[in-house]
Amino acid sequence: EAQVTQNPRYLITVTGKKLTVTCSQNMNHEYMSWYRQDPGLGLRQIYYSMNVEVTDKGDVPEGYKVSRKEKRNFPLILESPSPNQTSLYFCASARGAGASTDTQYFGPGTRLTVL
Amino acid sequence: AQSVSQHNHHVILSEAASLELGCNYSYGGTVNLFWYVQYPGQHLQLLLKYFSGDPLVKGIKGFEAEFIKSKFSFNLRKPSVQWSDTAEYFCAVKESGTYKYIFGTGTRLKVLA
Repeated sequence: EAQVTQNPRYLITVTGKKLTVTCSQNMNHEYMSWYRQDPGLGLRQIYYSMNVEVTDKGDVPEGYKVSRKEKRNFPLILESPSPNQTSLYFCASARGAGASTDTQYFGPGTRLTVL
Repeated sequence: AQSVSQHNHHVILSEAASLELGCNYSYGGTVNLFWYVQYPGQHLQLLLKYFSGDPLVKGIKGFEAEFIKSKFSFNLRKPSVQWSDTAEYFCAVKESGTYKYIFGTGTRLKVLA
């Protein structure tokens, strides 16, 4: 089944404790992206990747890191989480950015709470 | 900077009522426009998108949207909603040829049976 998976689905952590949220897709998509969803703010793009080893900042990259060493995986790293990073995080992937290729497929979301 | 406005945050309709959700964006160049939907307990999924050509685009489940360039709008419509349309709807904009997406704040639609 074609899908985007995220782990963990729920995470409660404390300020400053490094964490990684994994994202994996099995559709051989070139494009992957991370979003956070907050009440009243909608989805905001954190980072995106156009292909292996190619990443760029979205609108809200501060406090986050990403890497794209393999096509299928795009982990989101919080080196020193803070309470303002408490949010619902979504990973998405797409074949590309063109008219026929840019439909994004979203993962189930990761609800992160930073105490 | 680009922005997307969805003016209706919460909408409540009865079944068979007509739906129109507003979406306006601010960007002067060529854009690609999308509506995504999140049904309760499900992943976000694409409803429809506009890249070029006919400004009236049709999507899944009877939804359609009209791109009006002069108004910077991409409103979503459905002539007759069903209870199963209860969901959160997001408008999104992408500068053509790029990978940066800007989403609106979302509209929660509740359809009463």
